[in-house]
Amino acid sequence: NAGVTQTPKFQVLKTGQSMTLQCAQDMNHNSMYWYRQDPGMGLRLIYYSASEGTTDKGEVPNGYNVSRLNKREFSLRLESAAPSQTSVYFCASSVQVRELVFGEGSRLTVL
Amino acid sequence: AQTVTQSQPEMSVQEAETVTLSCTYDTSESNYYLFWYKQPPSRQMILVIRQEAYKQQNATENRFSVNFQKAAKSFSLKISDSQLGDTAMYFCAPITSGTYKYIFGTGTRLKVLA
Repeated sequence: NAGVTQTPKFQVLKTGQSMTLQCAQDMNHNSMYWYRQDPGMGLRLIYYSASEGTTDKGEVPNGYNVSRLNKREFSLRLESAAPSQTSVYFCASSVQVRELVFGEGSRLTVL
Repeated sequence: AQTVTQSQPEMSVQEAETVTLSCTYDTSESNYYLFWYKQPPSRQMILVIRQEAYKQQNATENRFSVNFQKAAKSFSLKISDSQLGDTAMYFCAPITSGTYKYIFGTGTRLKVLA
């Protein structure tokens, strides 16, 4: 049982480059989430998708776009990366008001 | 706006002792759920315990228990018989029933000393 799978696990970008973080879950969960974690800041919600076909902004959506491709997959795109987007990114999924199940995280460095 | 506060950035405890981590959730809602997650150095996020606000009884999961004071909007995590493997960051995360937004506190770094 793979749970939540994120790719890539590590990425280095130059300022202005674009990239997409991929996330897939195999638990038939309805809701999916993208968080970023910076030192001393805890986890901050970027975007979430309550169900297939819907997406909503979280606490820190600027500079990001998302796509809920189907029930299993939820991708996060950085169109023009900035050093401030250097962070660890977590994807998570859940059934409503049940616990979040997290991926292992993706470490992104923007130079 | 609903806010989550973890007022203890760092704590330490001797092995086998008991420690309590605090969390407050400032909300006007009455029906919500509260989760505690553990993040060890491996970075993996692990569910520790869940508490439903409508339940009078505090949740317990082995050595972990919740002290839920609804009027004070306080949701503290008690770890009994602390073990070296409990060393981790601990985050509380509430969610209001009917919504989908899990918001996390800033975390408490717990170190268990041998």
